[in-house]
Amino acid sequence: DGGITQSPKYLFRKEGQNVTLSCEQNLNHDAMYWYRQDPGQGLRLIYYSQIVNDFQKGDIAEGYSVSREKKESFPLTVTSAQKNPTAFYLCASSNYRVGGNQPQHFGDGTRLSIL
Amino acid sequence: GDSVTQMEGPVTLSEEAFLTINCTYTATGYPSLFWYVQYPGEGLQLLLKATKADDKGSNKGFEATYRKETTSFHLEKGSVQVSDSAVYFCALSGGRNDMRFGAGTRLTV
Repeated sequence: DGGITQSPKYLFRKEGQNVTLSCEQNLNHDAMYWYRQDPGQGLRLIYYSQIVNDFQKGDIAEGYSVSREKKESFPLTVTSAQKNPTAFYLCASSNYRVGGNQPQHFGDGTRLSIL
Repeated sequence: GDSVTQMEGPVTLSEEAFLTINCTYTATGYPSLFWYVQYPGEGLQLLLKATKADDKGSNKGFEATYRKETTSFHLEKGSVQVSDSAVYFCALSGGRNDMRFGAGTRLTV
């Protein structure tokens, strides 16, 4: 079955450490997204990519970095510059169409906590 | 910019009660509208969608109608079950291939 796989499900970060969250999709989607979800809040866009080797900042990109070397993969690195990284991180993908309006499909998330 | 406002929760209902979760939007152009559901510890699942004015999306007994005149996309279900307990998100997608989400409404049945 096609879908989006995020790993690990739980991740712990030490002070001053960078950590990388994995996101892989086999839906043949062009566009991929990273969101942050805090308790009781909606989703906030961190980064998105509409094509391989290209990505754009979302609303809260500071302290995060991404790469898009393959269509199927869009890893997110939470750097030490992100001072409040504890959150639930969701990866999504969609078809890319001129004019937008495509639904996004989500992985099951990674919960990141500080040690 | 584009935005979505949905009713604050939590919402607590008895089994078989009628559900309404209000959602209004602000957007330029003609966005598509979506409802997503999130169960504990999981990602979001697409529940239903509508792509133009007066479209009605429906799935698993849930319905929502795209009302351009009132810029609304309220979610309804005639008889909720315990298994419907989750967080529901209203969202819109405009012309930029990104998506704007409401804050989510937690439903407990």
